[in-house]
This record gives sequence, structure tokens and C-alpha cells, in this order.
Amino acid sequence: GESVGLHLPTLSVQEGDNSIINCAYSNSASDYFIWYKQESGKGPQFIIDIRSNMDKRQGQRVTVLLNKTVKHLSLQIAATQPGDSAVYFCAEITGANSKLTFGKGITLSVRP
Amino acid sequence: KAGVTQTPRYLIKTRGQQVTLSCSPISGHRSVSWYQQTPGQGLQFLFEYFSETQRNKGNFPGRFSGRQFSNSRSEMNVSTLELGDSALYLCASSLPHGRNTGELFFGEGSRLTVL
Repeated sequence: GESVGLHLPTLSVQEGDNSIINCAYSNSASDYFIWYKQESGKGPQFIIDIRSNMDKRQGQRVTVLLNKTVKHLSLQIAATQPGDSAVYFCAEITGANSKLTFGKGITLSVRP
Repeated sequence: KAGVTQTPRYLIKTRGQQVTLSCSPISGHRSVSWYQQTPGQGLQFLFEYFSETQRNKGNFPGRFSGRQFSNSRSEMNVSTLELGDSALYLCASSLPHGRNTGELFFGEGSRLTVL
């Protein structure tokens, strides 16, 4: 079946440290994997995506890693800042209709 | 460039009533999707519209419906409201390429409370 889930519900990191948010998926046929960030009172915001034929993609302070062998996706945030505090969702796109399925969110809390 | 605009932001209804939510996508975006967000179920896909046609539909009962107008604005309607319909309803728009890669632009949502 299709499911996208997160390993832990919350993550607390010290400001300046690197953060790693992990996600497991079950559909090996997914075409794209995406990370979204949702701040309190706002809608999700696209962070970065990675195509299924890639294993790493870097953005500004963020890196997404895809391990298709173990169906694992991670988001790495370098030098975590207070503004990074939010709920993070992984998501996947599957099928000819590009169905987008979200995982459960994980809360990232940055300690000053 | 204005973002995705959803109205109303907050509303309270009672069981059995119906509600209509509105979404104005980013200018130039013709694809509009709707999601229901609840603490227990997370983000659940409702439906997607492109050029006034429903392209995808999630696993929601027929009480949930939507439509898209020629200017790409979209509305969703929930009839015969139930307590479990209380949620944040999110609208997202995208360009054709963004739809295939998941690059959606979300509005701030309409918070529906059913009493």
C-alpha cells in the first residue's frame, strides 16, 4: 500500500547545530519526493524536491538524501536557526496522475 | 506577485449546514488542489482541478465537492456538515511542471469548526 511516515514526532536541536529529519516511504514506484515546512498559522511551504533517480540534492542550507534501497528520505538543515522551527512534512508523487501523498508531520524545535 | 488567497480564514458552522470555501490561485497557475488537514489524519488530498476540470479526486464522501472557474479560481463545498469535518482546509496552486514535482504553493487555509 501507499504510506509515507516519519520516524519521530518531534525533534529538538540547538541553534547553530545541524538538523536531520527522517522519513520512511513504502511505495517504490514514487517519482518525486518532496519536503514541506509548515509554520504556525500558515500553509505548507515547498522546501526541496528530489527525483527518484537521484540520491542527493542540495539547496540553500538544506540537503535531501534519498536511499531507495531502504526506502528512506531525509532532510538535513545546516546551521539550524530559530526561523527553522516548524512542522516538516515529507511527501511523494506517484502515478500517471501525479498523486501527492503527505506523511505525518514532525515538529522541529530550535533551542536558542 | 500575490500568493494563494483563501477565504474565509475562519468560520463556525453547525452540524447539517453546508459551507463554501474559496481559493484564488497565484496569477498564471491553472492547477488548484484542495487538502484537508487535521491533527489525527494529517494532510489528506481532496481533489485537483485544471482548466475547470477535475483531474484527481481523493477518498472523501460525495458531500465534498469542488469546482474551478475560467479564471482558475476554485471553490469547494461541504454539505450536511459533520463534527468530523472540523479541519483546516488548504488550497494549493501550481504550474504544470510544479504539479508533477510537488512544487505546490499553499494558501494559509480556511479553519472550519463544526459545532
